[in-house]
Amino acid sequence: GQQVMQIPQYQHVQEGEDFTTYCNSSTTLSNIQWYKQRPGGHPVFLIQLVKSGEVKKQKRLTFQFGEAKKNSSLHITATQTTDVGTYFCAGLDTGFQKLVFGTGTRLLVSP
Amino acid sequence: GAGVSQTPSNKVTEKGKYVELRCDPISGHTALYWYRQSLGQGPEFLIYFQGTGAADDSGLPNDRFFAVRPEGSVSTLKIQRTERGDSAVYLCASSLGTGTTEAFFGQGTRLTVV
Repeated sequence: GQQVMQIPQYQHVQEGEDFTTYCNSSTTLSNIQWYKQRPGGHPVFLIQLVKSGEVKKQKRLTFQFGEAKKNSSLHITATQTTDVGTYFCAGLDTGFQKLVFGTGTRLLVSP
Repeated sequence: GAGVSQTPSNKVTEKGKYVELRCDPISGHTALYWYRQSLGQGPEFLIYFQGTGAADDSGLPNDRFFAVRPEGSVSTLKIQRTERGDSAVYLCASSLGTGTTEAFFGQGTRLTVV
């Protein structure tokens, strides 16, 4: 079945440093979504990418969808303590309609 | 309420018992998902409804798990003969469409089987 992996599993940075998480799918995706989950909370939608090679920005966050629509990345510039949480990508397989979540990257930011 | 509502928020049950978990999606959302999340893991897909029908139930781990959505709104996840390995947070999400739009999650039901 479809598998979505993320690396790294965990990253601890100092406030002000940059952070990147990478998402790789075993199958081609029709779209990819990114979610953030704070400790003790539920996943909250950040953004959706649909087109091959698409890049979207939200303030300090930059999201990219790979040309082959099998991978994606999230880059945070100058992290802040409010960025703490686990970031998940979630892919919609072209052959199915279920949204499959990645393994997640847990981000810890020290002041 | 405007969000996805899940009840109960916490459920402790004895091994072998039957449990029902309820999800009340956002009004008008036709797509409804159930996920299971263990500590430190990503949400694991269980089942997806489009309207009243289960469009994809390939994630249900075995026949002890069953879900219904009889009127295309509220959904119930049913677990028979619970096992300790079923302990997890069960998340429900709803969206306007079939994965092409944002999924809104409920707060989850934390199930503990003792």
